Amino acid sequence: DGGITQSPKYLFRKEGQNVTLSCEQNLNHDAMYWYRQDPGQGLRLIYYSQIVNDFQKGDIAEGYSVSREKKESFPLTVTSAQKNPTAFYLCASSMVPGYNEQFFGPGTRLTVL
Amino acid sequence: GENVEQHPSTLSVQEGDSAVIKCTYSDSASNYFPWYKQELGKRPQLIIDIRSNVGEKKDQRIAVTLNKTAKHFSLHITETQPEDSAVYFCAAGGSGNTPLVFGKGTRLSVIA
Repeated sequence: DGGITQSPKYLFRKEGQNVTLSCEQNLNHDAMYWYRQDPGQGLRLIYYSQIVNDFQKGDIAEGYSVSREKKESFPLTVTSAQKNPTAFYLCASSMVPGYNEQFFGPGTRLTVL
Repeated sequence: GENVEQHPSTLSVQEGDSAVIKCTYSDSASNYFPWYKQELGKRPQLIIDIRSNVGEKKDQRIAVTLNKTAKHFSLHITETQPEDSAVYFCAAGGSGNTPLVFGKGTRLSVIA
Protein backbone atom coordinates (compact mmCIF):
# COMPACT_ATOMS: atom_id res chain seq x y z
CA ASP A 1 0.00 0.00 0.00
CA GLY A 2 2.72 2.49 -0.92
CA GLY A 3 4.80 2.19 2.26
CA ILE A 4 3.13 5.02 4.16
CA THR A 5 0.98 4.30 7.19
CA GLN A 6 -1.18 6.33 9.52
CA SER A 7 -2.60 5.48 12.90
CA PRO A 8 -5.13 5.30 14.29
CA LYS A 9 -7.74 4.92 11.56
CA TYR A 10 -10.45 6.47 13.73
CA LEU A 11 -9.90 8.82 16.67
CA PHE A 12 -12.36 10.38 19.05
CA ARG A 13 -11.43 13.33 21.21
CA LYS A 14 -13.17 15.44 23.79
CA GLU A 15 -13.16 19.18 23.36
CA GLY A 16 -10.14 20.82 24.96
CA GLN A 17 -7.84 17.83 24.52
CA ASN A 18 -4.72 17.66 22.40
CA VAL A 19 -4.33 14.60 20.19
CA THR A 20 -1.43 13.32 18.08
CA LEU A 21 -1.82 11.56 14.72
CA SER A 22 0.94 9.24 13.60
CA CYS A 23 2.47 9.06 10.11
CA GLU A 24 5.31 6.72 9.14
CA GLN A 25 6.89 6.01 5.75
CA ASN A 26 9.50 3.51 4.60
CA LEU A 27 9.92 4.94 1.11
CA ASN A 28 13.08 6.88 1.99
CA HIS A 29 11.32 10.08 1.00
CA ASP A 30 12.73 13.40 2.16
CA ALA A 31 9.46 15.36 2.00
CA MET A 32 6.34 14.73 4.07
CA TYR A 33 3.00 16.54 4.25
CA TRP A 34 -0.20 16.80 6.27
CA TYR A 35 -3.55 17.61 4.65
CA ARG A 36 -7.00 18.15 6.06
CA GLN A 37 -10.08 17.09 4.11
CA ASP A 38 -13.62 18.08 5.08
CA PRO A 39 -16.71 16.39 3.58
CA GLY A 40 -17.03 17.28 -0.07
CA GLN A 41 -13.96 19.47 0.12
CA GLY A 42 -10.52 19.39 -1.41
CA LEU A 43 -7.11 18.87 0.16
CA ARG A 44 -5.89 21.69 2.37
CA LEU A 45 -2.21 21.74 3.33
CA ILE A 46 -1.52 22.02 7.07
CA TYR A 47 2.26 21.59 7.33
CA TYR A 48 5.06 20.12 5.25
CA SER A 49 8.65 19.13 5.85
CA GLN A 50 11.41 18.90 3.27
CA ILE A 51 14.04 17.44 5.55
CA VAL A 52 14.59 16.24 9.10
CA ASN A 53 14.32 18.96 11.76
CA ASP A 54 12.73 21.40 9.33
CA PHE A 55 9.08 22.13 8.52
CA GLN A 56 6.96 24.94 7.08
CA LYS A 57 3.40 26.09 7.62
CA GLY A 58 0.85 25.39 4.96
CA ASP A 59 -2.42 27.17 4.30
CA ILE A 60 -4.20 26.21 7.54
CA ALA A 61 -1.50 25.70 10.22
CA GLU A 62 -3.28 27.49 13.06
CA GLY A 63 -4.15 25.09 15.90
CA TYR A 64 -1.78 22.39 14.67
CA SER A 65 1.85 21.49 15.41
CA VAL A 66 4.33 19.01 13.91
CA SER A 67 7.80 17.60 14.47
CA ARG A 68 10.30 15.87 12.17
CA GLU A 69 12.89 14.21 14.35
CA LYS A 70 13.31 11.21 12.05
CA LYS A 71 13.15 10.91 8.27
CA GLU A 72 10.49 8.20 8.53
CA SER A 73 8.12 9.97 10.91
CA PHE A 74 6.04 13.16 10.79
CA PRO A 75 3.47 13.27 13.62
CA LEU A 76 0.72 15.89 13.69
CA THR A 77 -0.68 17.27 16.95
CA VAL A 78 -4.15 18.77 16.87
CA THR A 79 -4.26 21.19 19.76
CA SER A 80 -7.19 22.55 21.73
CA ALA A 81 -6.66 25.83 19.85
CA GLN A 82 -8.02 24.24 16.66
CA LYS A 83 -11.64 25.34 16.78
CA ASN A 84 -13.17 22.81 14.41
CA PRO A 85 -10.88 19.76 14.26
CA THR A 86 -13.39 17.14 13.11
CA ALA A 87 -12.10 16.07 9.68
CA PHE A 88 -10.27 13.42 7.65
CA TYR A 89 -6.48 13.85 7.95
CA LEU A 90 -4.16 12.61 5.22
CA CYS A 91 -0.39 12.28 5.43
CA ALA A 92 1.72 12.10 2.27
CA SER A 93 5.35 11.83 1.23
CA SER A 94 7.46 12.41 -1.86
CA MET A 95 11.11 12.49 -2.92
CA VAL A 96 11.15 16.24 -3.57
CA PRO A 97 8.32 18.75 -3.01
CA GLY A 98 6.31 19.43 -6.15
CA TYR A 99 8.48 17.58 -8.66
CA ASN A 100 7.16 14.05 -8.41
CA GLU A 101 4.40 11.78 -7.16
CA GLN A 102 3.07 12.24 -3.66
CA PHE A 103 2.10 8.98 -1.97
CA PHE A 104 -0.76 9.27 0.50
CA GLY A 105 -1.40 7.33 3.67
CA PRO A 106 -4.81 5.73 4.37
CA GLY A 107 -5.93 8.65 6.55
CA THR A 108 -7.17 9.22 10.10
CA ARG A 109 -10.75 10.27 10.74
CA LEU A 110 -10.84 12.54 13.79
CA THR A 111 -14.11 13.26 15.55
CA VAL A 112 -14.45 15.73 18.41
CA LEU A 113 -17.22 14.83 20.80
CA GLY B 1 2.20 31.47 -5.53
CA GLU B 2 0.53 28.87 -7.68
CA ASN B 3 -3.27 28.75 -7.97
CA VAL B 4 -5.14 25.83 -9.55
CA GLU B 5 -8.75 26.05 -10.66
CA GLN B 6 -10.69 22.86 -11.49
CA HIS B 7 -13.99 22.46 -13.35
CA PRO B 8 -16.60 21.14 -13.13
CA SER B 9 -17.08 20.41 -9.44
CA THR B 10 -19.54 17.61 -10.25
CA LEU B 11 -20.00 15.58 -13.42
CA SER B 12 -22.49 12.86 -14.27
CA VAL B 13 -22.12 10.70 -17.37
CA GLN B 14 -23.78 7.60 -18.73
CA GLU B 15 -21.75 4.43 -18.69
CA GLY B 16 -19.73 4.18 -21.89
CA ASP B 17 -19.63 7.93 -22.48
CA SER B 18 -16.50 10.09 -22.14
CA ALA B 19 -15.72 12.44 -19.25
CA VAL B 20 -13.50 15.52 -19.38
CA ILE B 21 -12.21 17.48 -16.38
CA LYS B 22 -10.30 20.72 -16.88
CA CYS B 23 -7.78 22.59 -14.77
CA THR B 24 -6.01 25.90 -15.14
CA TYR B 25 -2.90 27.05 -13.32
CA SER B 26 -1.33 30.44 -12.77
CA ASP B 27 2.44 29.90 -12.41
CA SER B 28 4.08 29.55 -15.82
CA ALA B 29 7.11 27.95 -14.13
CA SER B 30 5.09 24.90 -13.03
CA ASN B 31 6.17 21.81 -14.95
CA TYR B 32 4.59 18.79 -13.27
CA PHE B 33 0.84 18.04 -13.49
CA PRO B 34 -0.51 14.91 -11.79
CA TRP B 35 -4.09 13.65 -11.52
CA TYR B 36 -5.32 11.75 -8.45
CA LYS B 37 -8.40 9.59 -7.96
CA GLN B 38 -10.01 9.30 -4.54
CA GLU B 39 -12.71 6.73 -3.89
CA LEU B 40 -15.07 7.27 -0.98
CA GLY B 41 -13.25 6.97 2.35
CA LYS B 42 -9.97 6.04 0.66
CA ARG B 43 -6.66 7.76 0.03
CA PRO B 44 -5.99 9.73 -3.19
CA GLN B 45 -3.98 7.69 -5.69
CA LEU B 46 -2.07 8.86 -8.73
CA ILE B 47 -3.70 7.77 -11.99
CA ILE B 48 -1.65 9.70 -14.54
CA ASP B 49 0.78 12.60 -14.69
CA ILE B 50 2.41 14.76 -17.33
CA ARG B 51 5.45 16.99 -17.48
CA SER B 52 5.70 20.22 -19.40
CA ASN B 53 7.90 18.82 -22.15
CA VAL B 54 5.01 16.60 -23.28
CA GLY B 55 1.68 17.70 -24.74
CA GLU B 56 -0.32 14.52 -24.26
CA LYS B 57 -0.04 11.23 -22.43
CA LYS B 58 -2.30 8.16 -22.57
CA ASP B 59 -2.76 5.12 -20.39
CA GLN B 60 -5.50 2.82 -21.67
CA ARG B 61 -8.81 4.69 -21.18
CA ILE B 62 -7.21 7.70 -19.51
CA ALA B 63 -5.41 10.58 -21.19
CA VAL B 64 -4.10 13.94 -20.10
CA THR B 65 -3.44 16.93 -22.36
CA LEU B 66 -1.39 20.00 -21.52
CA ASN B 67 -1.46 23.43 -23.14
CA LYS B 68 1.43 25.40 -21.65
CA THR B 69 0.64 28.56 -23.57
CA ALA B 70 -2.89 28.72 -22.20
CA LYS B 71 -1.83 27.23 -18.85
CA HIS B 72 -4.45 24.54 -18.75
CA PHE B 73 -4.51 20.77 -18.67
CA SER B 74 -7.32 18.25 -18.93
CA LEU B 75 -8.14 14.68 -17.94
CA HIS B 76 -10.04 12.57 -20.46
CA ILE B 77 -11.67 9.28 -19.51
CA THR B 78 -13.17 7.27 -22.37
CA GLU B 79 -15.67 4.38 -22.20
CA THR B 80 -16.50 5.24 -18.60
CA GLN B 81 -17.42 2.44 -16.21
CA PRO B 82 -19.19 2.53 -12.80
CA GLU B 83 -15.84 1.94 -11.07
CA ASP B 84 -14.63 5.27 -12.48
CA SER B 85 -17.02 6.98 -10.06
CA ALA B 86 -14.82 8.91 -7.60
CA VAL B 87 -13.43 12.35 -6.83
CA TYR B 88 -10.63 13.43 -9.15
CA PHE B 89 -8.02 16.04 -8.20
CA CYS B 90 -5.62 17.84 -10.48
CA ALA B 91 -2.43 19.43 -9.18
CA ALA B 92 0.46 21.56 -10.37
CA GLY B 93 4.03 21.76 -9.12
CA GLY B 94 7.70 21.97 -9.93
CA SER B 95 8.13 25.71 -9.47
CA GLY B 96 10.62 26.05 -6.65
CA ASN B 97 10.88 23.55 -3.83
CA THR B 98 7.25 23.85 -2.82
CA PRO B 99 4.46 21.28 -2.49
CA LEU B 100 1.95 20.43 -5.18
CA VAL B 101 -1.04 22.76 -5.32
CA PHE B 102 -4.30 20.86 -5.72
CA GLY B 103 -7.55 21.81 -7.38
CA LYS B 104 -10.73 21.50 -5.34
CA GLY B 105 -11.75 18.25 -6.98
CA THR B 106 -14.43 16.92 -9.35
CA ARG B 107 -16.97 14.35 -8.22
CA LEU B 108 -17.57 12.05 -11.18
CA SER B 109 -20.63 9.81 -11.19
CA VAL B 110 -20.96 7.14 -13.88
CA ILE B 111 -24.56 6.06 -14.25
CA ALA B 112 -25.11 2.47 -15.33
